[in-house]
Amino acid sequence: EVQLVESGGGLVQPGGSLRLSCAASGFTFSSYWMSWVRQAPGKGLEWVANIKQDGSETYFVDSVKGRFTISRDNTKNSLYLQMNSLRAEDTAVYYCARGGGIFEYWGQGTLVTVSS
Amino acid sequence: DIQMTQSPSSLSASVGDRVTITCRASQSISSHLNWYQQKPGKAPKIVVSSLQSGVPSRFSGSGSGTDFTLTISSLQPEDFATYYCQQSYSIPRTFGQGTKVEIK
Repeated sequence: EVQLVESGGGLVQPGGSLRLSCAASGFTFSSYWMSWVRQAPGKGLEWVANIKQDGSETYFVDSVKGRFTISRDNTKNSLYLQMNSLRAEDTAVYYCARGGGIFEYWGQGTLVTVSS
Repeated sequence: DIQMTQSPSSLSASVGDRVTITCRASQSISSHLNWYQQKPGKAPKIVVSSLQSGVPSRFSGSGSGTDFTLTISSLQPEDFATYYCQQSYSIPRTFGQGTKVEIK
């Protein structure tokens, strides 16, 4: 059974940093692109970033370029999102998802709140 | 960026109804269109992908280019949710604003 479990969310002040993690199991993690998708409270879905199987390619939505970094550790079956210079508008539930374009499986999400 | 526009934003329907949701892309995305279902407080779940597996389902997608539809052939109680379309043609991946399917 495919499982994706996010962690690392919480309350952070504007300008602060946070690192999200996603632990994957039930499939060959190193064979798949992976993505982060977020959802602001009461709003729709927004793709944030994705990363190729070997980490050699990464892509970001414009609003997070230069502030967020996506990475992975295939030896630990884990995906990460390093978020710096956080803004109020980054407040959202962050989901990790299997796939780079078609999001076949999703985690349960972790809430990031950016507020003073 | 490719904009995805869904209609309607919400609809009311009864169990057993045939329901159709429309999604329009701001430029051609060939057939690279996927549909997700999301229930309150839960993660989205894919219901139709551009790589149709051929598994029979009451959920079906159609269209190509810029105009697409999601059809639920006979609405079931568990289908009341919000549905999002999403293009996987280009970066950034983009979603429609969602269509909420409510009980009439």
